[in-house]
Amino acid sequence: GESVGLHLPTLSVQEGDNSIINCAYSNSASDYFIWYKQESGKGPQFIIDIRSNMDKRQGQRVTVLLNKTVKHLSLQIAATQPGDSAVYFCAEVIGGGADGLTFGKGTHLIIQP
Amino acid sequence: GAGVSQSPSNKVTEKGKDVELRCDPISGHTALYWYRQSLGQGLEFLIYFQGNSAPDKSGLPSDRFSAERTGGSVSTLTIQRTQQEDSAVYLCASSFGTGRGQPQHFGDGTRLSIL
Repeated sequence: GESVGLHLPTLSVQEGDNSIINCAYSNSASDYFIWYKQESGKGPQFIIDIRSNMDKRQGQRVTVLLNKTVKHLSLQIAATQPGDSAVYFCAEVIGGGADGLTFGKGTHLIIQP
Repeated sequence: GAGVSQSPSNKVTEKGKDVELRCDPISGHTALYWYRQSLGQGLEFLIYFQGNSAPDKSGLPSDRFSAERTGGSVSTLTIQRTQQEDSAVYLCASSFGTGRGQPQHFGDGTRLSIL
């Protein structure tokens, strides 16, 4: 089965609101996680990453939270803007193994005006 | 430009033909990855090159798929005797050093359509 997955395929939020995108992973050996944003016709764009020795990391308008106890990862986007509309993927690197990323299927974030 | 460059951006070919897809990584990045993305799906890891080490081919779906990386820079993904199920977007990424702790940066992909 899939190691990394997302709870909701589509998330719709009002412009200006905060959004939270969730991700579950099943491999306890995963030690590095990345969130990517993918717009139509484009490749995934790096947003933020976090290592397993951390539980929170903040960037510009984004925060990633990691709960290793329940193997859960979330991406919080503050004050969403129309340009935030995209598909968001979480990805993991499994420690000790190949360094290729394992991706979930993605969540489509829709920003309502 | 400073990003990962892939060519062609679109490729349409007949079933049974061979195709070559090219990737120019970011200058100075030693690691290079190929992924495949089917419509509405996440990315599927195919192959990984790190410096002069033997590539990790564990994700290649069949022996019709192969990849080379010449001079530690440009990479070519070759698909022989293409099948309709090979239709997808093929994405290349590069990173500075190993993937763990080093985010991978992606190109915009080659959209491959097999008729």
